[in-house]
This record gives sequence, C-alpha cells and structure tokens, in this order.
Amino acid sequence: GNSVTQMEGPVTLSEEAFLTINCTYTATGYPSLFWYVQYPGEGLQLLLKATKADDKGSNKGFEATYRKETTSFHLEKGSVQVSDSAVYFCALSDAYSGGYQKVTFGTGTKLQVIP
Amino acid sequence: DAGVTQSPTHLIKTRGQQVTLRCSPKSGHDTVSWYQQALGQGPQFIFQYYEEEERQRGNFPDRFSGHQFPNYSSELNVNALLLGDSALYLCASSLVLQPVNTEAFFGQGTRLTVV
Repeated sequence: GNSVTQMEGPVTLSEEAFLTINCTYTATGYPSLFWYVQYPGEGLQLLLKATKADDKGSNKGFEATYRKETTSFHLEKGSVQVSDSAVYFCALSDAYSGGYQKVTFGTGTKLQVIP
Repeated sequence: DAGVTQSPTHLIKTRGQQVTLRCSPKSGHDTVSWYQQALGQGPQFIFQYYEEEERQRGNFPDRFSGHQFPNYSSELNVNALLLGDSALYLCASSLVLQPVNTEAFFGQGTRLTVV
C-alpha cells in the first residue's frame, strides 16, 4: 500500500535560517502530494500541493518539488520565522476503486523557530 | 463559506463508554472521511462515507462505526472506549470523482480523552 516517510523531529532553527524537511513516498499509482501544517491545538491546513512529476508547489515562502525519480517531495523555506513553528505533515492522495480519494500521511515533523 | 465544522471540540469519557462525534462538510462537498491522530503521530485513516455508505475502511476495529446523513453530514461512533482511543479525531470533506489533485479540507478536530 501507499506510505509516506518524513524526517523525524523536532527541528530547531534560529530565525532566518534555511529549512529543509525531507519526505519520500511509496505509491502504486500517480498520487498528488501535499504538505499540511498543524499549529498547536488546531486542525490541518493545506500549505502547498503538487499534482504531477516536476511540479513545484509554493505558498508563504515554502516550496516543494514533486520528484518522481527519487519519489520525494522535500519541503524548503529560505528564511524561517518564529510564526512558522508548527508540525508539518507530508501526505499523498491517491484514488481507489470508484474514484474515491484517500490521503496517507507521514508522522509529522515538529519545527521550532527561536528568535 | 463555512469550512468543515466538527463538534464537540473536546470530550472526556470513561473506559467502556460510547461516544459520538459529528462533522459537517464544506459546502458543496459530498464525501466525508474520518481520521484518528494520536499524540505525536500523523493522522490515520478510519473510513470514508459517500451517499450514506461506507466506501473504504482503514485498519480499525468494528468498535468504530459511522453514518452519513442525506445532507452529507456525518457521525463517528466509538463503542467500548479504551484508553488507547484517546486522540484528536479529524474529519475531512471532499468531492467524489474529483481529480486526486484536489485537496481534502479538514476540520479543527475533536479532542477525545478516555480516562
């Protein structure tokens, strides 16, 4: 079945540092890939997405490129802010019989940015 | 446009009791999925409902059951609660037969504590 593996945290960075959170996936079909963010005490918010190979998703300074050859979707940001402190989830969405979607998540990476 | 709404936000139950969680999907969406997120883990797929029927199920025991109503809202029921059922329960809505590149929208979740 499908699976998502992302780097374990927590990741602690100083403000304005460069961020990379690694994510690799296993899927039998042609999934779409997502990064969701979860702030303390809240639900999941979509951060960015990419729907096919070589697509780059971007939002709020975050970027991730769908790499089919390495089955990866690493999250990057050039200069993190304290407000970026949250848990980040890599996820894939694939269709199964009948056209229904199912989302598979990684275990999450906690990011803490210190001033 | 109201997004996905879940109720209640927090709940405390005793072992052996039964609980019902509720979800209203985003306007225009017809499919509801439920996820369990244990502390420090990624969300795990429980099941998905479309046209008032369970369409796919994750690796969860029969103690977990659900229902979808004609207005697309949904309930998650858990019987004979165990301490290990303590988690954040997330509801996600989407449209069936949409391309898989369309993200699911998540509610804020219900925090269930079993004591």
